[in-house]
Amino acid sequence: QVQLKESGPGLVQPSQTLSLTCTVSGLSLTSNSVSWIRQPPGKGLEWMGVIWSNGGTDYNSAIKSRLSISRDTSKSQVFLKMNSLQTEDTAMYFCASDFAYWGQGTLVTVSS
Amino acid sequence: DVVLTQTPVAQPVTLGDQASISCRSSQSLVHSNGNTYLEWYLQKPGQSPQLLIYKVSNRFSGVPDRFIGSGSGSDFTLKISRVEPEDLGVYYCFQATHDPFTFGSGTKLEIK
Repeated sequence: QVQLKESGPGLVQPSQTLSLTCTVSGLSLTSNSVSWIRQPPGKGLEWMGVIWSNGGTDYNSAIKSRLSISRDTSKSQVFLKMNSLQTEDTAMYFCASDFAYWGQGTLVTVSS
Repeated sequence: DVVLTQTPVAQPVTLGDQASISCRSSQSLVHSNGNTYLEWYLQKPGQSPQLLIYKVSNRFSGVPDRFIGSGSGSDFTLKISRVEPEDLGVYYCFQATHDPFTFGSGTKLEIK
């Protein structure tokens, strides 16, 4: 059974860095991709970036300068780091494998 | 970036009737490898999106055959026959052909 679970701080101060972890079970990171997607409250979905099974990454050009995605295959974990957070980065953050299996999401609020 | 335009924004429907959602792309979604990476998701209230259809017309595991995806190039349609209460929510199309990957703005399927 494939499961993904996001974890991280619920509250981040403006200008700070967001760090999230996606812990995966039931699949291998060396065989499957993992994407990060976010959704501001009451709004639509935004694809942020992906780490492919070969370890390569692609990022949404709108946030590429602030975003980094990495992984630890031994721990089945994928990491998101995004710097210079602003209030408009307040959103539910999801990780998803192969665009098919999604985590429940974690709400991140950017506020002082 | 590829823009996906979904219509209608909201689709009132009577339970048991058919619903149809359109997704039009600002450019062809045929990848250089010949595949068309156009997916459909349903997001129910308070839940993460769930994959319904991948590569235009392939139903994901466990998706009822009431859901039918079709189309080609830059014009795609999701049809839901015999709408049931569990089908209500927001439907999104998503393209993973061109980087950055993008979502449509969503269509809310609601009771008439």
